[in-house]
Amino acid sequence: QVQLVQSGAEVKKPGSSVKVSCKASVGTFNTYAINWVRQAPGQGLEWMGVIIPIINTAIYAQKFQGRITITADESTSTAYMELSSLRSEDTAVYYCARGNGAVADFFDYWGQGTLVTVSS
Amino acid sequence: QSALTQPPSVSGSPGQSVTISCTGTSSDVGSYDRVSWYQQPPGTAPKLMIYEVSNRPSGVPDRFSGSKSGNTASLTISGLQAEDEGDYYCSSYTTSSTVIFGGGTKLTVL
Repeated sequence: QVQLVQSGAEVKKPGSSVKVSCKASVGTFNTYAINWVRQAPGQGLEWMGVIIPIINTAIYAQKFQGRITITADESTSTAYMELSSLRSEDTAVYYCARGNGAVADFFDYWGQGTLVTVSS
Repeated sequence: QSALTQPPSVSGSPGQSVTISCTGTSSDVGSYDRVSWYQQPPGTAPKLMIYEVSNRPSGVPDRFSGSKSGNTASLTISGLQAEDEGDYYCSSYTTSSTVIFGGGTKLTVL
């Protein structure tokens, strides 16, 4: 059974960084890409980036370039998304999702979501 | 890159059909047959309903169908049921090797 289990909720100060983890079930991590998608309160879905663990390559949405780092630890089948220089607009639920398809563009399994609150 | 354009809301009565549109550009929807649709009930993670324009994952009812013409993709739900209520999002692969979502459409079953 495919599972993506994310770390718990975080409260951060403006200007700080947050690192969210996503542990994947065996068989997922070395075969599929892991994407990160966020959803601000009452807003839509926003794709942030993707990592392909088997080749350790990450691609980021232009909006987050310079502020986001997505990494993968194959030894623990865990992906991480770190977002820096946090501002109040970064308050959102952050999801990891398994990317499927030839270019990993559709997301068939999702984590439970991690609420990140940015507040002074 | 701007989000794909979806109507904010659609509605229909049980048993009817509704169609949700998703308009992009020649850099995303128009370039690839890589449009997906997601259903998101309140407070839950999105669920994949359609991938690669018109394919249904296992377990998704055949009442859900997808299509595409030019820069616009569509999701049609036939035989509307109360359980179909929720937010629907389209997404597309882009020429920049990224993924872009639509703004979302709230489906209300009257």
